[in-house]
Amino acid sequence: EAAVTQSPRNKVAVTGGKVTLSCNQTNNHNNMYWYRQDTGHGLRLIHYSYGAGSTEKGDIPDGYKASRPSQENFSLILELATPSQTSVYFCASGDNYEQYFGPGTRLTVL
Amino acid sequence: GEQVEQRPPHLSVREGDSAFITCTYTDPNSYYFFWYKQEPGASLQLLMKVFSSTEINEGQGFTVLLNKKDKRLSLNLTAAHPGDSAAYFCAVSDRGSALGRLHFGAGTQLIVIP
Repeated sequence: EAAVTQSPRNKVAVTGGKVTLSCNQTNNHNNMYWYRQDTGHGLRLIHYSYGAGSTEKGDIPDGYKASRPSQENFSLILELATPSQTSVYFCASGDNYEQYFGPGTRLTVL
Repeated sequence: GEQVEQRPPHLSVREGDSAFITCTYTDPNSYYFFWYKQEPGASLQLLMKVFSSTEINEGQGFTVLLNKKDKRLSLNLTAAHPGDSAAYFCAVSDRGSALGRLHFGAGTQLIVIP
């Protein structure tokens, strides 16, 4: 049974619209992460969290917000989506320096 | 901050040949090293986690080499088969990194030709 799930799996949004990507984990990990994956860049860290109620900026936080309402859930929010945010987004949970990834969300901003 | 460079970006080998992928990193405090495999359209699967104290680690059909002096991490897929065709990513973390942050290489797209 998948321990890290993401929804939606695919999303098409319009420029200027609000997008929320959701992540749920059943690993009981304290740490959760949001990455985006683009060709030639590998995975880049957007936001992360060390527990419910906490969020921290990663390497490329501009244009994104995050929310960690509970141990299990971590959301990524694009308040005003732009075409440059078209990408594949991965959520991960982890402890002891190991991270386990969700299936990814493909976001297209038109 | 940590910079991780991965080479080559694309690699094609024939079935049965070896495939060699290398990452170099900049932070001498780096302590944990990871290789992930990503099949087309899928998520990242952890292949191996190695610690700074171990230079050679062997897995199922592959070997991971760590050269701390040169700050180089390598993945050698021995006798590659078509099922190894995927993208491979290295990742690096230091022992003191808050929240176990990983720094990823840009990836290597491997094609194994039958």
